[in-house]
Amino acid sequence: DTGVSQDPRHKITKRGQNVTFRCDPISEHNRLYWYRQTLGQGPEFLTYFQNEAQLEKSRLLSDRFSAERPKGSFSTLEIQRTEQGDSAMYLCASSLTQGSGNTIYFGEGSWLTVV
Amino acid sequence: DAKTTQPPSMDCAEGRAANLPCNHSTISGNEYVYWYRQIHSQGPQYIIHGLKNNETNEMASLIITEDRKSSTLILPHATLRDTAVYYCIVRVAGNQFYFGTGTSLTVIP
Repeated sequence: DTGVSQDPRHKITKRGQNVTFRCDPISEHNRLYWYRQTLGQGPEFLTYFQNEAQLEKSRLLSDRFSAERPKGSFSTLEIQRTEQGDSAMYLCASSLTQGSGNTIYFGEGSWLTVV
Repeated sequence: DAKTTQPPSMDCAEGRAANLPCNHSTISGNEYVYWYRQIHSQGPQYIIHGLKNNETNEMASLIITEDRKSSTLILPHATLRDTAVYYCIVRVAGNQFYFGTGTSLTVIP
């Protein structure tokens, strides 16, 4: 399968611990996005990269959150000092800047439960 | 990007066409209309998109009104596996997506 891959799919952590999620985009996609989704809500935009450059960050991305895409391929999203309110599904997506409409393709998400 | 309005929920009988409406009255000329769906606990799945013309693919048809202020996603023969939340998004190509709360479609046997 050559879709967007996310790891781990599920993570349970204690409050105060750090967690890291990894995303592998579709090969050759130069844009990579992170979203967060809580129960009953649509996905909320967090940040996106074009190649290795982080071009936009939502105000939802507090200073406990950091995202990187060091070589313009895979990306990591780290949450430090997790809080119960961080419990959500974290979605990664990728796209090409060329082509009709720049369609974004999503991964299956990484579920985080903070206890 | 322009905002969209969708009904919160709809039902459709299995085997019948499901017609999901979306209003986007403030859409501008360079904004595309996208449809995604999300089956419980999975990532959003791309369905179809269009700019001005009606579009059809193996999953669905997209009908955009002439003034582009509204659109309809048509699933021609709904199955139980089409039960999902459907999101209509209007976006300038290259911008990120902003999701609303979508329409929860239930296909009834």
